[in-house]
Amino acid sequence: AQSVTQLGSHVSVSEGALVLLRCNYSSSVPPYLFWYVQYPNQGLQLLLKYTSAATLVKGINGFEAEFKKSETSFHLTKPSAHMSDAAEYFCAVTDPGGYQKVTFGTGTKLQVIP
Amino acid sequence: EAGVAQSPRYKIIEKRQSVAFWCNPISGHATLYWYQQILGQGPKLLIQFQNNGVVDDSQLPKDRFSAERLKGVDSTLKIQPAKLEDSAVYLCASRLAVGPVSYEQYFGPGTRLTVT
Repeated sequence: AQSVTQLGSHVSVSEGALVLLRCNYSSSVPPYLFWYVQYPNQGLQLLLKYTSAATLVKGINGFEAEFKKSETSFHLTKPSAHMSDAAEYFCAVTDPGGYQKVTFGTGTKLQVIP
Repeated sequence: EAGVAQSPRYKIIEKRQSVAFWCNPISGHATLYWYQQILGQGPKLLIQFQNNGVVDDSQLPKDRFSAERLKGVDSTLKIQPAKLEDSAVYLCASRLAVGPVSYEQYFGPGTRLTVT
């Protein structure tokens, strides 16, 4: 069964500082991986996805993530945090085959300090 | 294009009462999902439809939860009777089809259920 582990339920960064949100996955087959963002009282929005092409994936709002098979990681980064980045971020994994059920991590709430 | 619509946005009920949620996916999307998101946790898949057929309901508590997708378009999720632990946000998502991962899941705003 696939799973993802997000280290740190809460992360605080200063405005302009590097954002690093950690995600490690467990999968018996090469997975597809996703990062979603959720603003208060809203649904989830896709930030970026890894689909076995380039290992460095660029997404919306200046975010990017690197797939590292040797470390089973898919960490999300942004060079310079903006106040509008404050939200909850979810890492997710799916099996490329079958009906592609998506399994989500427990989320990391990002706080940006002015 | 219009997004995924859900109603109601908020619902407060007493335990042992019944409740129903409605979802209207993006037009033409064949795949529809219901997720349960308990506070402090990630979304958990309850049920996945492909058109009007169920392809995964392994995590749906079938003794109290039911869902249907008539005519392969909109869907309802029902809880009867509700328990305190059902308090959560219920998210609906739709996708053009299962297949190419380029087909993104689009999420509705969710229904926040409070069971007292």
